[in-house]
Amino acid sequence: KQEVTQIPAALSVPEGENLVLNCSFTDSAIYNLQWFRQDPGKGLTSLLLIQSSQREQTSGRLNASLDKSSGRSTLYIAASQPGDSATYLCAVGGDAGNMLTFGGGTRLMVKP
Amino acid sequence: NAGVTQTPKFRILKIGQSMTLQCTQDMNHNYMYWYRQDPGMGLKLIYYSVGAGITDKGEVPNGYNVSRSTTEDFPLRLELAAPSQTSVYFCASSYPRAGGGEQFFGPGTRLTVL
Repeated sequence: KQEVTQIPAALSVPEGENLVLNCSFTDSAIYNLQWFRQDPGKGLTSLLLIQSSQREQTSGRLNASLDKSSGRSTLYIAASQPGDSATYLCAVGGDAGNMLTFGGGTRLMVKP
Repeated sequence: NAGVTQTPKFRILKIGQSMTLQCTQDMNHNYMYWYRQDPGMGLKLIYYSVGAGITDKGEVPNGYNVSRSTTEDFPLRLELAAPSQTSVYFCASSYPRAGGGEQFFGPGTRLTVL
């Protein structure tokens, strides 16, 4: 059974810092990995999708990497802003139906 | 496009009552999913569907039922509500593509069972 872990569970940084969020998974036979953002009381917004054949994806200040062999992904946020404060969820897609297994999330606070 | 819509936004049920959570998507996605999110936790898959007339169980299906009569709609039915079903329920959809397609989520339904 796939298990996804996100460390740290919470992170507080001053504005302007570059930061890295970590995601690890136990079964390397994945189809893809998706990073989401969730604001309090809201739904999930997709940030980046990395296919299993890819090593990384970039969108603006966000860069996500994938190392299947070691069961790890990182989300890099450059020049963090208070508006980046949210919970970031990592999810692994495990088969053709693309069912996702989620990590517990990292709650990020960026202080002005 | 409205994307994925869910109704109701909030609901309080008494133990033993039944209800249906509605989910509709207008993106013509074949795949649809129901997840639940307990406080401070990640999401867990309840049921999913790869097309009209086809449904299958996820990780936590007990106490729930689904149907998929059209591409657009994927309702989730709670027959005998229990306090353990207090949670936020999210519906999602995706398109089939090699390696899996991006999933798009609805705003969620916050359910409390008392």
